[in-house]
Amino acid sequence: GDSVTQMEGPVTLSEEAFLTINCTYTATGYPSLFWYVQYPGEGLQLLLKATKADDKGSNKGFEATYRKETTSFHLEKGSVQVSDSAVYFCALSDSGGGADGLTFGKGTHLIIQP
Amino acid sequence: GAGVSQSPSNKVTEKGKDVELRCDPISGHTALYWYRQSLGQGLEFLIYFQGNSAPDKSGLPSDRFSAERTGGSVSTLTIQRTQQEDSAVYLCASSPGFEQYFGPGTRLTVT
Repeated sequence: GDSVTQMEGPVTLSEEAFLTINCTYTATGYPSLFWYVQYPGEGLQLLLKATKADDKGSNKGFEATYRKETTSFHLEKGSVQVSDSAVYFCALSDSGGGADGLTFGKGTHLIIQP
Repeated sequence: GAGVSQSPSNKVTEKGKDVELRCDPISGHTALYWYRQSLGQGLEFLIYFQGNSAPDKSGLPSDRFSAERTGGSVSTLTIQRTQQEDSAVYLCASSPGFEQYFGPGTRLTVT
């Protein structure tokens, strides 16, 4: 079946550092890929998405590129802030968000220190 | 506009009792999803509704779990004879067709 693998952390960085959170996937179809973020005490929020190979999703300074050849969707940000501290989840959908629901990675806890 | 709401936000129950969790989706969203978030299992997909029907219930963890949706809107997830392993955060999401928007979750603790 489908699966998503991501580094679990915690990942601790200093403010203004460069961030990469790795995400790789296995899927039977041609999935859509997502990054969700969960800030402390809040619900899951969609951060960015990509629906086909070589698509780049971006939002709030974060970027991720859909790499079919390496089955990866790594999350990057050039300069992190304390407010980026959160848990980040990589996810996929085989049906474009339909009947199969989303398959999530286990989440990466990111801690940004001032 | 209003997002997805869930109630209660926290529920503590004794082992063996039944619980009902409620989800109010974003108005007009035809699809509704339930997930479970636990320390050991991460985020698990439980069930999906398109309108009032759930085409596939195989993601529900056991036959103690059931879900329904009425009027294409509110959904309830019912857990009968709760067990300690049911302790988790239960998340609901709704979708107009592609992106899923999540509620804040219900934290269930079974003592």
